[in-house]
Amino acid sequence: AQKVTQAQTEISVVEKEDVTLDCVYETRDTTYYLFWYKQPPSGELVFLIRRNSFDEQNEISGRYSWNFQKSTSSFNFTITASQVVDSAVYFCALTTQGGSEKLVFGKGTKLTVNP
Amino acid sequence: AAGVIQSPRHLIKEKRETATLKCYPIPRHDTVYWYQQGPGQDPQFLISFYEKMQSDKGSIPDRFSAQQFSDYHSELNMSSLELGDSALYFCASSFGQGNQPQHFGDGTRLSIL
Repeated sequence: AQKVTQAQTEISVVEKEDVTLDCVYETRDTTYYLFWYKQPPSGELVFLIRRNSFDEQNEISGRYSWNFQKSTSSFNFTITASQVVDSAVYFCALTTQGGSEKLVFGKGTKLTVNP
Repeated sequence: AAGVIQSPRHLIKEKRETATLKCYPIPRHDTVYWYQQGPGQDPQFLISFYEKMQSDKGSIPDRFSAQQFSDYHSELNMSSLELGDSALYFCASSFGQGNQPQHFGDGTRLSIL
């Protein structure tokens, strides 16, 4: 069975601070895919990144960066110089190859960036 | 770019009524997924379709059914609605299999009175 754990339920930071959202996953499959989605207060789910299990290279996209470490089964997400518009619930999710392609989500981390 | 279109955006029903939610995937996307998100919860997978055939089924009540049509749009039919069905219902679409990113619509907020 697949499982995603986001231990941080809520995080509050002040604008311009850096913040890291943790994600730990469990799966017995050797091929799997990890995702991050953002859900702002307006409610929609916005795709941020997809990473497959064979690509441990870290990725940076503007102020966003992702650190994938198979050794610790973690896929952490860092926002540099946070902004008020980053306030949202962030979900980490997992799918595996060869089985259902449904997304298994973590419980989400609610990030509040205060001015 | 065109996104996933869901209708209606909001729906209010009473217990024991029926509801139909519609989803129009991104053009050329052939896979559709339905998720249910309760208040303060993470989205839970309900059902998915690939090339108009059901590909997987999750925790979908027997009172719910869904299908994907020849134009790839999908409908989620919900009957004998219960208070616990109040939730945000998302449709997502992707192109092909292979764990491609699922792109979500804005959701339908269903409220049962």
